[in-house]
Amino acid sequence: QVQLVESGGGLVKPGGSLRLSCTASGFTFSDYYMSWIRQAPGKGLEWVSFISSSSSYTMYADSVKGRFTISRDSAKNSLDLQMNSLRADDTAVYYCVRGTRSIDRWGQGTLVTVSS
Amino acid sequence: DVVMTQSPLSLPVTLGQPASISCRSSQSLVYSDGNTYLNWFQQRPGQSPRRLIYEVSNRDPGVPDRFSGSGSGTDFTLKISRVEAEDVGVYYCMQGTHWSYTFGQGTKLEIK
Repeated sequence: QVQLVESGGGLVKPGGSLRLSCTASGFTFSDYYMSWIRQAPGKGLEWVSFISSSSSYTMYADSVKGRFTISRDSAKNSLDLQMNSLRADDTAVYYCVRGTRSIDRWGQGTLVTVSS
Repeated sequence: DVVMTQSPLSLPVTLGQPASISCRSSQSLVYSDGNTYLNWFQQRPGQSPRRLIYEVSNRDPGVPDRFSGSGSGTDFTLKISRVEAEDVGVYYCMQGTHWSYTFGQGTKLEIK
């Protein structure tokens, strides 16, 4: 069955960096666009970024542009999100999801807390 | 960004009664390929979201047929024909037509 498992979340100071990873299984990873979506505590859902199946195309929300970088490794069935210059308002659960225009699978999420 | 406006934001419903959630977009969601990328997600307490409906009215496998989606252009609706206890949670609409894709604020369904 399709599984998306995120890792790498934790507590980081403002201005710091963190790298999230997502390991995919149960489907042909290289066939799908992949995305990151986040949810601040008690709040709604916000798109962060997506990457095309071949890694040739990426898009970012304005709120993270220039600070976050999405990448993937089809040999390892993994999706990454490098987050730099983190701010308090980046605090959220970050979900790895399959798809873009119509997401059909979500991971369980990993919590990122930005606080001094 | 396209603004997605849901109503109501809180929806108390008696078990067995119908429920309806409206989602309106600030721009038409018809994409250049002719599809309308409007999705509905359910997030149960403590869980990740899961998709219920894609492209306005297509129900995902395993989703009970009491859930249905309808609408066009900028005006969309999710209906639950008879609410059950397992339907408690927050429901989000999401547009995948215009980047940056956006979600509605969420509608919290609770049992009255």
